[in-house]
Amino acid sequence: EAQVTQNPRYLITVTGKKLTVTCSQNMNHEYMSWYRQDPGLGLRQIYYSMNVEVTDKGDVPEGYKVSRKEKRNFPLILESPSPNQTSLYFCASAKGGNLEAGGYTFGSGTRLTVV
Amino acid sequence: GENVEQHPSTLSVQEGDSAVIKCTYSDSASNYFPWYKQELGKRPQLIIDIRSNVGEKKDQRIAVTLNKTAKHFSLHITETQPEDSAVYFCAASRGNTGFQKLVFGTGTRLLVSP
Repeated sequence: EAQVTQNPRYLITVTGKKLTVTCSQNMNHEYMSWYRQDPGLGLRQIYYSMNVEVTDKGDVPEGYKVSRKEKRNFPLILESPSPNQTSLYFCASAKGGNLEAGGYTFGSGTRLTVV
Repeated sequence: GENVEQHPSTLSVQEGDSAVIKCTYSDSASNYFPWYKQELGKRPQLIIDIRSNVGEKKDQRIAVTLNKTAKHFSLHITETQPEDSAVYFCAASRGNTGFQKLVFGTGTRLLVSP
């Protein structure tokens, strides 16, 4: 089944403890992206990647890191989480290539709470 | 950068009525405009999209219109059903593929009452 898989689905952590949220897609998509969703603010892009080793900042990159060492994986790293990073996080991937290829496919989300 | 505004934030309709959600964007170079539906507790899912070289696109009960001059686009749902109840997000992006920086609106909660 074609899908974007995120882990974990739920995570409660303490301020300052480094964490990684994994994301993997099995559709051979070139494009991958991370979004956070907060009430009243919609979906805001954190980072995106256009291919292996090619990443760029979205609108809210502060406090986050990403890497794209393999085409299928795009982990999100919080080096020193803070309470304002409590949010619902979505990973997404897209085929790219041309505008007829369809939009982003989203993962199931990771609900992160930082206390 | 791109800014997308979406209205209304909440929309309540009776089953069978039509629903219209409107979005405006700021970047005249934006060329890709998707709409996503997010049911409670689930992931956003693409329901329809439109490119800047097209003024209107329809898929069964859903249609999207684009006015490039005014920089706004709208989602139209006809003959609404209770299962249409969800949060709808519009988005806009620029670039050859349209997926680099996809900027979303703040969402519209649609409630369809039986």
